[in-house]
Amino acid sequence: DIQLTQSPSFLSASVGDRVTITCRASQGISSHLAWYQQKPGKAPKLLIYAASTLQSGVPSRFSGSGSGTGFTLTISSLQPEDFATYYCQQVNSYPRTFGQGTKLEIK
Amino acid sequence: EVQLVESGGGLVQPGGSLRLSCAASEFTFSIYEMNWVRQAPGKGLEWISYITTSDSTIYYADSVKGRFTISRDNAKNLLYLQMNSLRAEDTAVYYCAREKRVRGLITTTFFDYWGQGALVTVSS
Repeated sequence: DIQLTQSPSFLSASVGDRVTITCRASQGISSHLAWYQQKPGKAPKLLIYAASTLQSGVPSRFSGSGSGTGFTLTISSLQPEDFATYYCQQVNSYPRTFGQGTKLEIK
Repeated sequence: EVQLVESGGGLVQPGGSLRLSCAASEFTFSIYEMNWVRQAPGKGLEWISYITTSDSTIYYADSVKGRFTISRDNAKNLLYLQMNSLRAEDTAVYYCAREKRVRGLITTTFFDYWGQGALVTVSS
């Protein structure tokens, strides 16, 4: 099974900050990676697929990059509504796996 | 607007059974692969099962293999998860998720729509 490790697990930041979350895969997955945002009590929401393609309707301050085993999610200028938990997911093989999550909190 | 609505959650004793349903609307259900994902209280997301459009291919996570069964009824736009031999560690919110496949420079997939979730609590 492919393991995904996100870092950091917790991140404290302020509105307007630029933040980056890293996701590392235990083996190469090409660009078969998606990022999701989840707010408390809500279902996950797709942000980025194919490692760097922004899902329709997602603000352009979100961006993704990487391939192989290393990936990043960047939020260029944090907005109040961005404080949430973020997960990466590999779709290269089964079982599909998620990273453990990164909780982004207000400083 | 695409909708996925889970139902059938509740409280069940260890060793018991439960069947979850996911009702799909406002899209052509029969042409989409589907998944179940769960989230234990305060924990992260765990993918648990996948089914192709015609249920010709099915996958399970090791944690539920042999106990859970995914199925679908394309005529009724319904996805199911039959859960048997339930354990305390199966306590979670269960989400159904639509899988979209895109073909471009690479062919890849992602979960573009999710239901609101159904809570399953396994406790005596």
